[in-house]
Amino acid sequence: QSVLTQPPSVSGAPGQRVTISCTGSSSNIGAGYGVHWYQQLPGTAPKLLIYDNNNRPSGVPDRFSGSKSGTSASLAITGLQAEDEADYYCQSSDSILTASVFGGGTKLTVL
Amino acid sequence: EVQLVESGGGLVQSGGSLRLSCGASGFSFSGYWMSWVRQAPGKGLEWVANINTDGSEKYYLDSVKGRLTISRDNAKNSLYLQLTSLRAEDTAVYYCARYNNYYMDVWGKGTTVTVSS
Repeated sequence: QSVLTQPPSVSGAPGQRVTISCTGSSSNIGAGYGVHWYQQLPGTAPKLLIYDNNNRPSGVPDRFSGSKSGTSASLAITGLQAEDEADYYCQSSDSILTASVFGGGTKLTVL
Repeated sequence: EVQLVESGGGLVQSGGSLRLSCGASGFSFSGYWMSWVRQAPGKGLEWVANINTDGSEKYYLDSVKGRLTISRDNAKNSLYLQLTSLRAEDTAVYYCARYNNYYMDVWGKGTTVTVSS
């Protein structure tokens, strides 16, 4: 059971918009800690996609965006492409656990 | 080029020990916190440990406290993870990552640890 909760899977057709939710609690996301998102393509290491709720590292397309509200956060992907098919993880910090915490991951399927 | 390269993984018997290494290049290693993150076969990412810039502060996942030890050698630009009293549930790919302002912005390719019973 992960500290941050994500849907196991989402899907969308090419060109569509999908969102992935990440729900935490008052000791992590709700405590004001930033939410960060990672993309893991099949057979590869994770890659930072969004940091501090809504910031994109250099090289990440603006089709990817993040938001945060209260104890939850979301990753949105617009103009879905076949190469977006991957696992996506949210991550934050937890004041009670004094630890970094990940969501369980969401598998995105491009139909 | 900023790079992290893990090594030291392998097959080990339950109860055994292993030492993982992570070599850093392309950035000022001593100026960054570092992390280990693992991923069991077919499972999600699990944070394991963090270490601060000079090694004086260390934080661990509860289930590995007392068995796994994170350390670093800034003179060698290297991060380590000592694994002892290994269990089947420690079987995973172990990733080294640069921990920058509470997120992991650079990742290595990982090294695989398999614990056999």
